[in-house]
Amino acid sequence: QQPVQSPQAVILREGEDAVINCSSSKALYSVHWYRQKHGEAPVFLMILLKGGEQKGHEKISASFNEKKQQSSLYLTASQLSYSGTYFCGTPDQGAQKLVFGQGTRLTINP
Amino acid sequence: GAVVSQHPSRVICKSGTSVKIECRSLDFQATTMFWYRQFPKQSLMLMATSNEGSKATYEQGVEKDKFLINHASLTLSTLTVTSAHPEDSSFYICSALKYSNQPQHFGDGTRLSIL
Repeated sequence: QQPVQSPQAVILREGEDAVINCSSSKALYSVHWYRQKHGEAPVFLMILLKGGEQKGHEKISASFNEKKQQSSLYLTASQLSYSGTYFCGTPDQGAQKLVFGQGTRLTINP
Repeated sequence: GAVVSQHPSRVICKSGTSVKIECRSLDFQATTMFWYRQFPKQSLMLMATSNEGSKATYEQGVEKDKFLINHASLTLSTLTVTSAHPEDSSFYICSALKYSNQPQHFGDGTRLSIL
């Protein structure tokens, strides 16, 4: 089952904050976050495995709620380099393969 | 860090041609490799899961006779698009996985254009 991301797109000015959500109607085994720039391959950001987990640093971090049905990615004081499409992915029925959300396009303007 | 090499990066060819794409994990042995297809402004859609020495597992709707996958070693998987047609034009990306619950490391992708 494909996780649902929101919002679909965000436009910010440099220095502003953003939150991207990834949710499912069922508990997720884990959540993987990636960023993809146009025409390039996705780049790994982080994995969250446990309910209640928070990971990352002050600029880019993520959380996984207790029920493991939602994860949020936090981008603080955004930089121009943060622009791209962010995907969350989750293992399909515990298998190694990932099912990705539809993506959130983040645009950072000067 | 983990590096995955994918070649070629871009292919333009005539309809009916078969195209082979290579995916190599350069600094680790990958237990599993994955092949994705991505259309413009869309998400990554898994085509197949490839394990060394065994037949690939294809996702529903993906023709295994059209998209041939060979996983010759723990560091190399190939995808061959046979008799490609314009509707096969897309961005194909591979990824490699060392252990479960670890990141998938992606190649740089291959942009395939069939004329």
